[in-house]
Amino acid sequence: DQQVKQNSPSLSVQEGRISILNCDYTNSMFDYFLWYKKYPAEGPTFLISISSIKDKNEDGRFTVFLNKSAKHLSLHIVPSQPGDSAVYFCAATASGGSYIPTFGRGTSLIVHP
Amino acid sequence: EAGVTQFPSHSVIEKGQTVTLRCDPISGHDNLYWYRRVMGKEIKFLLHFVKESKQDESGMPNNRFLAERTGGTYSTLKVQPAELEDSGVYFCASSQVGGSEQFFGPGTRLTVL
Repeated sequence: DQQVKQNSPSLSVQEGRISILNCDYTNSMFDYFLWYKKYPAEGPTFLISISSIKDKNEDGRFTVFLNKSAKHLSLHIVPSQPGDSAVYFCAATASGGSYIPTFGRGTSLIVHP
Repeated sequence: EAGVTQFPSHSVIEKGQTVTLRCDPISGHDNLYWYRRVMGKEIKFLLHFVKESKQDESGMPNNRFLAERTGGTYSTLKVQPAELEDSGVYFCASSQVGGSEQFFGPGTRLTVL
């Protein structure tokens, strides 16, 4: 039973446009959310995170939005660049735990020049 | 500073054989984690070491999997005997004491034929 769901396996976007990657979760105990980026033949790397006390966190071209009532978060990339093409994993943890994230299945983003 | 390294990068074995995967964490990181991703699915937690002690091994699939971290430095994950469903990419990650950010290695792709 997936607790973190990324329902879009892939997303194709034109360079310069906005990429929006979505993630839903079911466990109410999750209170810290992370996005990881993964290139082929590499491990995931941490991209951006958000605590449940916030509804938005921004870092350069990357913004994560959290809607706790809907148990939904999204990652916005503006403007998208070809180098952003990668698999993006949404992950969630519960405070008081051991920082072990529960991952979604990932969304493969392709940014076309 | 060197990142997390894993060896081998690929391994192809036959059902019933034994395989040992190795992970070298970032120097000084007491926390070491093993994860597995079956193709197209989520990255799943296997176990967590703090130094040489197993903190959490709730994700280990069965007793065919044995993880060790003698001396609290590198770790090995042995699969014996391997089954077809063990195929996937095995990631190792490490983090500092009290640190929430995990740094992932490039993974070992295991194929069991």
